[in-house]
Amino acid sequence: SQQGEEDPQALSIQEGENATMNCSYKTSINNLQWYRQNSGRGLVHLILIRSNEREKHSGRLRVTLDTSKKSSSLLITASRAADTASYFCATGGTGGGNKLTFGTGTQLKVEL
Amino acid sequence: DTGVSQNPRHKITKRGQNVTFRCDPISEHNRLYWYRQTLGQGPEFLTYFQNEAQLEKSRLLSDRFSAERPKGSFSTLEIQRTEQGDSAMYLCASSLTQGTYGYTFGSGTRLTVV
Repeated sequence: SQQGEEDPQALSIQEGENATMNCSYKTSINNLQWYRQNSGRGLVHLILIRSNEREKHSGRLRVTLDTSKKSSSLLITASRAADTASYFCATGGTGGGNKLTFGTGTQLKVEL
Repeated sequence: DTGVSQNPRHKITKRGQNVTFRCDPISEHNRLYWYRQTLGQGPEFLTYFQNEAQLEKSRLLSDRFSAERPKGSFSTLEIQRTEQGDSAMYLCASSLTQGTYGYTFGSGTRLTVV
């Protein structure tokens, strides 16, 4: 079953613009992660934020986490055509094993 | 070590046949996960191993599915008596045991049941 839901389902922007994707989840979490998937390929880990953190940066990526609202956002600044991909949030539960539950994904298209 | 390797990349099989996929994780990663992904959806958890022990199985993993990780190294996922609904991308990932880390995914095996 899917834990998270990403919003929007699809996003189309121009190169150089910022892209914001949101994720909502249902249960208590230990951490939340974002992954990128290019068409027909495996997923690539982008960033991890722990439940006691509110904001994290990595290069052009900024992630926020609001555990009271059970939501997270991923901001990609100064987007590039190479950022075109599907982006998934994934939540790690409070149980053992760091099993991740993935959301439904946002398809981002960055046009030249 | 070049990452997580999955074989084959593509598999087309007739309904009712058995198929087996292989995953070679990053050597120092003790945890190994199998996920299934259908078109337009996020990956769905199937099962995971810590070393050679299979610690959790999803209810998605029917009796026709079995996974092994002998000696805590590579893993295999077998589907018996395949059905058209088994058509999907099967993804393998590995991670470190201690603490909380992101997964490293393989490129997946795309299964088509005809």
